[in-house]
Amino acid sequence: DAMVIQNPRYQVTQFGKPVTLSCSQTLNHNVMYWYQQKSSQAPKLLFHYYDKDFNNEADTPDNFQSRRPNTSFCFLDIRSPGLGDAAMYLCATSRDAETDTQYFGPGTRLTVL
Amino acid sequence: KNQVEQSPQSLIILEGKNCTLQCNYTVSPFSNLRWYKQDTGRGPVSLTIMTFSENTKSNGRYTATLDADTKQSSLHITASQLSDSASYICVVSKRNQFYFGTGTSLTVIP
Repeated sequence: DAMVIQNPRYQVTQFGKPVTLSCSQTLNHNVMYWYQQKSSQAPKLLFHYYDKDFNNEADTPDNFQSRRPNTSFCFLDIRSPGLGDAAMYLCATSRDAETDTQYFGPGTRLTVL
Repeated sequence: KNQVEQSPQSLIILEGKNCTLQCNYTVSPFSNLRWYKQDTGRGPVSLTIMTFSENTKSNGRYTATLDADTKQSSLHITASQLSDSASYICVVSKRNQFYFGTGTSLTVIP
């Protein structure tokens, strides 16, 4: 049974055209994360929510925004995608930030034309 | 600087053989060390998670070890299978920060 669901799995957008990626979880976990992963690189944390508390990484570009309207859903908004934003975007959850396993979704592959 | 380095970068082994992947870190102090398996085009899947006080943790054919004194961890895979072909990522967490290694790409050939 899918526990962390990401939609869509593949997203194609045009340079500068806003795009939203979605993540939902059935685990009722407190913490949700968004990562960016480029080819042959480790995932890079963009931001995370602990409940409704938003935590932005210092080097996350302003072009990236996030929303968490409720426990189950979290969205990643890219306001003006550039060619350098083409990557796999991974959503993850954990019950607690420090001590628990992170459960990752299958990812959304973003292509920017 | 908090860093996590993995070696080798890539590895090819024959099916049925054992292998060991290495993770060296400078994150200190740390809360947990995790090993993940990531299949191509998929999200990472947790294999093991260890606190700083644990020395070893097993999950089937996967065994992780941790030496907090030397700041080293290893992931040992026993009797490898073709389905073990994937990237293996070491992640060290400190409070609410997660430090990822760049992974080891393992290919198991028949």
